[in-house]
Amino acid sequence: GESVGLHLPTLSVQEGDNSIINCAYSNSASDYFIWYKQESGKGPQFIIDIRSNMDKRQGQRVTVLLNKTVKHLSLQIAATQPGDSAVYFCAENWSGGGADGLTFGKGTHLIIQP
Amino acid sequence: GAGVSQTPSNKVTEKGKYVELRCDPISGHTALYWYRQSLGQGPEFLIYFQGTGAADDSGLPNDRFFAVRPEGSVSTLKIQRTERGDSAVYLCASSLMGGGTDTQYFGPGTRLTVL
Repeated sequence: GESVGLHLPTLSVQEGDNSIINCAYSNSASDYFIWYKQESGKGPQFIIDIRSNMDKRQGQRVTVLLNKTVKHLSLQIAATQPGDSAVYFCAENWSGGGADGLTFGKGTHLIIQP
Repeated sequence: GAGVSQTPSNKVTEKGKYVELRCDPISGHTALYWYRQSLGQGPEFLIYFQGTGAADDSGLPNDRFFAVRPEGSVSTLKIQRTERGDSAVYLCASSLMGGGTDTQYFGPGTRLTVL
């Protein structure tokens, strides 16, 4: 049989449309959240981050929303382009823990249809 | 400026052999991290260096894994008696000062295959 871990959730959108990628995080103490983009054969690339004292942060064509009540994070990408095709990971950390390793979510594979 | 670099990009070895993976962080970054990424999964934390010392090695899976950073810059991840289950992409990241809210920048990774 197939391993569950080999199949990432997939989101397919038309070029030019907006994309929303969701992530549920696990640690209530986490106070720093990051979105990374990973293209095939490359390392994760930083996109945008947000601290727990904010609920929204905007970058260039990207917006991150944080809902601490339900421990949910989302990444919105406006006017998607072919170069946005990649796997997107959310990651969390805790500034007070002394342990600085990020905890990553499972990832979402974003496919841009022409 | 130059980003994080890792060598080799690919390493194929046989079960039971010893391997070393190298990471060159961004110049001036005091914090360095190693992660392991299995197929279809997110990266998993292995070890974090602040300067020359390992500040947190809680992610190392067993005592076959060891890492050093003798001069506070380049780091080497060492794996003894490799097993097929060690096959993965090993990622290195660095950040300016460390701390839970410091942005970590990743290298391209080393793909390790244990036959």
